[in-house]
Amino acid sequence: EADIYQTPRYLVIGTGKKITLECSQTMGHDKMYWYQQDPGMELHLIHYSYGVNSTEKGDLSSESTVSRIRTEHFPLTLESARPSHTSQYLCASSETGGNTEAFFGQGTRLTVV
Amino acid sequence: RKEVEQDPGPFNVPEGATVAFNCTYSNSASQSFFWYRQDCRKEPKLLMSVYSSGNEDGRFTAQLNRASQYISLLIRDSKLSDSATYLCVVIPGWSAGNMLTFGGGTRLMVKP
Repeated sequence: EADIYQTPRYLVIGTGKKITLECSQTMGHDKMYWYQQDPGMELHLIHYSYGVNSTEKGDLSSESTVSRIRTEHFPLTLESARPSHTSQYLCASSETGGNTEAFFGQGTRLTVV
Repeated sequence: RKEVEQDPGPFNVPEGATVAFNCTYSNSASQSFFWYRQDCRKEPKLLMSVYSSGNEDGRFTAQLNRASQYISLLIRDSKLSDSATYLCVVIPGWSAGNMLTFGGGTRLMVKP
């Protein structure tokens, strides 16, 4: 089993609220990723990090922000949630080397009402 | 053109059938290749790595064709439990930051 954890697993929140989705891994991986995925649709990379103090935006424009203060922790924040943010958010991590797989957390299913 | 492309399917096959998926990639310098499986409403999980010499794991065989820039996944003797979405993953190399690049996935439905 992969040692990467996301909390909460499910979240229902009102419009305008600030939320932070947590992602932690104990594998010492430098690279971490956040993906957004709607049901039955493909994964979209929204943020990634090469290591501490490194964050980049992904292919899909997102109103969320991330931080990477510690290697093991990569939280994602939405300052003001909207119904359009309703989706599943998946966090992943991988080693820096080329031929290395990514491990995924179980995801956070977010519903904004 | 997307960096990694897959036929979205769905592929509907009977139990016991053999089915194959292809995945094409655009960056000829790509170094590493994987197949992931994703069940409905679950996170993707590694199915197998794809080596230059190919890779076989039970009923599953993965092949790499660098000349034509595609990888393939062959599933023999399909089971109902093989129903899932299969994601092709490419690591394009250091020039692209060695970032994982996912295809859109191919959906497989195995029927009794």
